[in-house]
Amino acid sequence: AQTVTQSQPEMSVQEAETVTLSCTYDTSESDYYLFWYKQPPSRQMILVIRQEAYKQQNATENRFSVNFQKAAKSFSLKISDSQLGDAAMYFCAYRRQGAQKLVFGQGTRLTINP
Amino acid sequence: DSGVTQTPKHLITATGQRVTLRCSPRSGDLSVYWYQQSLDQGLQFLIQYYNGEERAKGNILERFSAQQFPDLHSELNLSSLELGDSALYFCASSVSAEDGENTIYFGEGSWLTVV
Repeated sequence: AQTVTQSQPEMSVQEAETVTLSCTYDTSESDYYLFWYKQPPSRQMILVIRQEAYKQQNATENRFSVNFQKAAKSFSLKISDSQLGDAAMYFCAYRRQGAQKLVFGQGTRLTINP
Repeated sequence: DSGVTQTPKHLITATGQRVTLRCSPRSGDLSVYWYQQSLDQGLQFLIQYYNGEERAKGNILERFSAQQFPDLHSELNLSSLELGDSALYFCASSVSAEDGENTIYFGEGSWLTVV
């Protein structure tokens, strides 16, 4: 069974600084997709960024980028120029090709210090 | 706004009761998923429907059931409720059923408290 591990229960960063959230996963599949979701205090799950395993290029979305290391099964999220609105729980998720469900990590709570 | 609509947003009910959570997927999405988020279990996949048919089952209890109607909205029925069923229940939707290319979008969740 696939598992996703987020080893940092909590992280904090100063506003305007850069922070990296870690995620590792375990799978024997070669085709899969990885996601970072953000859950602010409103509780809604918001997609931040996605990465296809077959793509070598790391995905970027404005201030958000990932470092995808397929061999190491690592998928970290980098947030540049942190803003107060980035404060949230961040969940890493995995979905294998052809599967129906997302497998989530336990989440990392990110605090932004003004 | 993801386009996935869930009602009710909050619900408080007593043990032993039955509740129904409702979900309207994004326009054009045929696949609906239900997830449960609790403090001890994290985010768990419950069940998926695609165009009216059950497609996949996860950690869904026998006391829970779901269906997807011809208009593609879905309902999650929770019966014989226990204190441990208190959780945030998410509905999500996507265009297709199994193609990992398509993104799953989540609603705002229904917060269930069992007292």
